[in-house]
Amino acid sequence: GAGVSQSPRYKVAKRGQDVALRCDPISGHVSLFWYQQALGQGPEFLTYFQNEAQLDKSGLPSDRFFAERPEGSVSTLKIQRTQQEDSAVYLCASSPDSYEQYFGPGTRLTVT
Amino acid sequence: GQQLNQSPQSMFIQEGEDVSMNCTSSSIFNTWLWYKQDPGEGPVLLIALYKAGELTSNGRLTAQFGITRKDSFLNISASIPSDVGIYFCAGLRSGSARQLTFGSGTQLTVLP
Repeated sequence: GAGVSQSPRYKVAKRGQDVALRCDPISGHVSLFWYQQALGQGPEFLTYFQNEAQLDKSGLPSDRFFAERPEGSVSTLKIQRTQQEDSAVYLCASSPDSYEQYFGPGTRLTVT
Repeated sequence: GQQLNQSPQSMFIQEGEDVSMNCTSSSIFNTWLWYKQDPGEGPVLLIALYKAGELTSNGRLTAQFGITRKDSFLNISASIPSDVGIYFCAGLRSGSARQLTFGSGTQLTVLP
């Protein structure tokens, strides 16, 4: 079946611009996660949804980062006033309410 | 920041050789997951471990959940060229809700 999809796959933003990254989880998966992966590093947790409820946002690095999942399916990660240190791959994962998380291909964000 | 120490950082092996890599932590983990990531793609789940001492296989891959719950090992037998990639361990700590903590990865190169 279809896996997790993310769009766009690549995004170039000028410093100060706002960006929105989309995640389509595997159909029926209750849980959805966002991670940030810097070059040469493992992913780092940003935030977690169970259905439409955002249960953990402890990993969001600043109040410029905002995530939503209004209908418990598609999720959007928004970054306001982007800065160069926001350049990274943003990964979305979904889970059928087990401990196993299945990742999408990621969105590579470059802030110039 | 990440709390899992993954080693080795990189490995160069001949096709057909066996490979071992491991993750250690100062914290106790309740679940260990092993992922493989190819360039430009998201991590793909290989093996999940749920109990201390558990040994689980998936084809040529075998992983173990350390008895102290602070470490895990991944072995790949009879390596082939398509094993090339970055392998990540990830753990789920008690009380951390559902966020995964990742190691920094092992870059595996298989020489013909």
